[in-house]
Parts: sequence; C-alpha cells; structure tokens
Amino acid sequence: DAKTTQPTSMDCAEGRAANLPCNHSTISGNEYVYWYRQIHSQGPQYIIHGLKNNETNEMASLIITEDRKSSTLILPHATLRDTAVYYCIVMEYGNKLVFGAGTILRVKS
Amino acid sequence: NAGVTQTPKFQVLKTGQSMTLQCAQDMNHEYMSWYRQDPGMGLRLIHYSVGAGITDQGEVPNGYNVSRSTTEDFPLRLLSAAPSQTSVYFCASSVFPSDTEAFFGQGTRLTVV
Repeated sequence: DAKTTQPTSMDCAEGRAANLPCNHSTISGNEYVYWYRQIHSQGPQYIIHGLKNNETNEMASLIITEDRKSSTLILPHATLRDTAVYYCIVMEYGNKLVFGAGTILRVKS
Repeated sequence: NAGVTQTPKFQVLKTGQSMTLQCAQDMNHEYMSWYRQDPGMGLRLIHYSVGAGITDQGEVPNGYNVSRSTTEDFPLRLLSAAPSQTSVYFCASSVFPSDTEAFFGQGTRLTVV
C-alpha cells in the first residue's frame, strides 16, 4: 500500500509556481520522501528527494515539514511541458519504490 | 550513455503465447526492477533484483518469471500470456543500496488478444 496521500489533480497557470502537496503522516525516521513524474505514459522521471531538510535542484524544490508528516514539491516557474502525473513516494534507504495514483498536474496557458 | 533500454516498444500476443521483454542498462547498477502500469493507474512492482543471480517477487508476480545472469540484463518472461497482462511494462535500474534516483526505460506496450 502507498504510504502517501496526494490530491487527484491540480491546475497551474503557465509561468506561475506549482505547489504539489503530499501527506505522509505515518513516515518513519529512516524513510525518504521521493518525487517522480510521468509525462504522457513515458517512463517515470526522478525529480528530487529528501530526508529531513529542504532540498533544491535545477528542477524543483522540496519542502518537508518539521514533523515530516507532509511535504510540498515546488516547480518555481511551471511550463506546459511540466504537465504530467507527479508521484510522491516514501521509501526506506535501498528499498523498493511503491507508486500510488499520483497527482495530475495540468499547466495551462 | 543509453541508460535503460527496453525492447520491443510494442508487442501484440495471442492468448497462451510466451515471450520475453528485454531490459538492459549500461550504468553498472546492481538494482533492477520491472513494473506494470494499467490504464489510469500507478506502477505496480512485478519482480526485482539486487544483483546478478538474485531476484525476488514484488506486488504482482504471478504469470511472470525473471532471471539475472548479468549485471546489465534483466529479462521478463511471460509464460502463457493472458488478456489480463495487457499493460505497459517499465524496467528500472538504480544503485543499491542507495538513496539516489532510479532510471526508467521508455516502456513496452503489450496487448494480449
């Protein structure tokens, strides 16, 4: 069973920040939060991951609450090419990725 | 650097036929896995391997066999195809153990008629 809860879908205006929430209230201390996305039935693409601290890379930022029970993926300037299904996954170090249904993000011009 | 390569991209089988989906990676990753994705759903883990000679079952292993004779290759065999196995199949690889990213192939779209 997926250990995360995500909204089914979200809309975002092109050029604006897209903030995708994820609830993982049962996360344990050694579990990481990963984000992947899948564009139009292609293979999933890694975005970012974190354990406790906020993380940023060239694609996105990951904000994890202090109690680690929820997180937010931020795409700072969404483009039409960011339209995809976004998966939030909680996983132990070296363990198996378990995908839920994800959030369908629609970026609109 | 090709990453994870899956062949074929598309396949149509008749019920009862067998076939092998190929997956190869050139990143020297220990961990490889197979997922299936049915329409409108997330990916479900079929089988995985943490190194040559080591395989284990995932969430939905029935009807599928795997072997891992080399680090590079992780083929998925359908022994007797059924319409319920119509799906898109993805192979993935990553360093193990690790908290780094997994790399996915572009998928094989399989239809069983």
